[in-house]
Amino acid sequence: NAGVTQTPKFQVLKTGQSMTLQCAQDMNHNSMYWYRQDPGMGLRLIYYSASEGTTDKGEVPNGYNVSRLNKREFSLRLESAAPSQTSVYFCASSADRATYNSPLHFGNGTRLTVT
Amino acid sequence: DAKTTQPPSMDCAEGRAANLPCNHSTISGNEYVYWYRQIHSQGPQYIIHGLKNNETNEMASLIITEDRKSSTLILPHATLRDTAVYYCIVRVPTGTASKLTFGTGTRLQVTL
Repeated sequence: NAGVTQTPKFQVLKTGQSMTLQCAQDMNHNSMYWYRQDPGMGLRLIYYSASEGTTDKGEVPNGYNVSRLNKREFSLRLESAAPSQTSVYFCASSADRATYNSPLHFGNGTRLTVT
Repeated sequence: DAKTTQPPSMDCAEGRAANLPCNHSTISGNEYVYWYRQIHSQGPQYIIHGLKNNETNEMASLIITEDRKSSTLILPHATLRDTAVYYCIVRVPTGTASKLTFGTGTRLQVTL
C-alpha cells in the first residue's frame, strides 16, 4: 500500500519549458489536491479536485493547469515554467466528498527548480 | 475562513510531554480542527482531528476548549523523532471538497 505517489522526485527546468507532475493514490479517495511550499512558508493550495471529472482553483492557480485523469490520478502541468515556480510541490488525497471529517494524505513531494 | 494562531517555536525535553497550543477564535460550528506535522521536507503527516470532544489516538491527544476557540495538541512522551513543524488547521468547507489552509506552524525542537 503505497498511499500517494509523486513523480518525479526532483526536476530542473529552464525558463519557458513545460512539464507535468504526476500524482497517483491507491486509497480509492474521491478528492485530490496540489499544494506548493516555498522556503519558510506553509503550504498553499494550487488546485483541487473534489471528484473524478471536476477541478477547482485554489489560492495560487496562475501558471498551472490540472487534469483529473481518473479516480487515481491527478496531474499538475506547468506550460511555461518561470523562476517564481521554483518550489516543492505536494499532492494529497482525502476520502471525503461532502464531509469535512477525513484527513488528507500527502505524498513526499516534487522538488522543482526553474533557472 | 477561520484563522489559526500558533507560537513560531517551542522546545521540549525528550521524554516529557509536549503541549502545542493553537488559537482559532473565529471557528464556525461545523469546522474541524486538524493537526499535521512536517519532518524535514517530507510531506505533511496527519496526526489527529476533532470537532468538539477531546480526541486521542496512538500518536497524540487533542484537547479542544468548550467554546472551541482554542486547542492543544499533546505528545505525551516526546522523542527526538518528534522534532518537526506542527500545523494546526481549521478545515474550511468548500463545495464538495474541503480545503486545508496551512499557516506557518510551530517548530518543535525536542532535545536530550
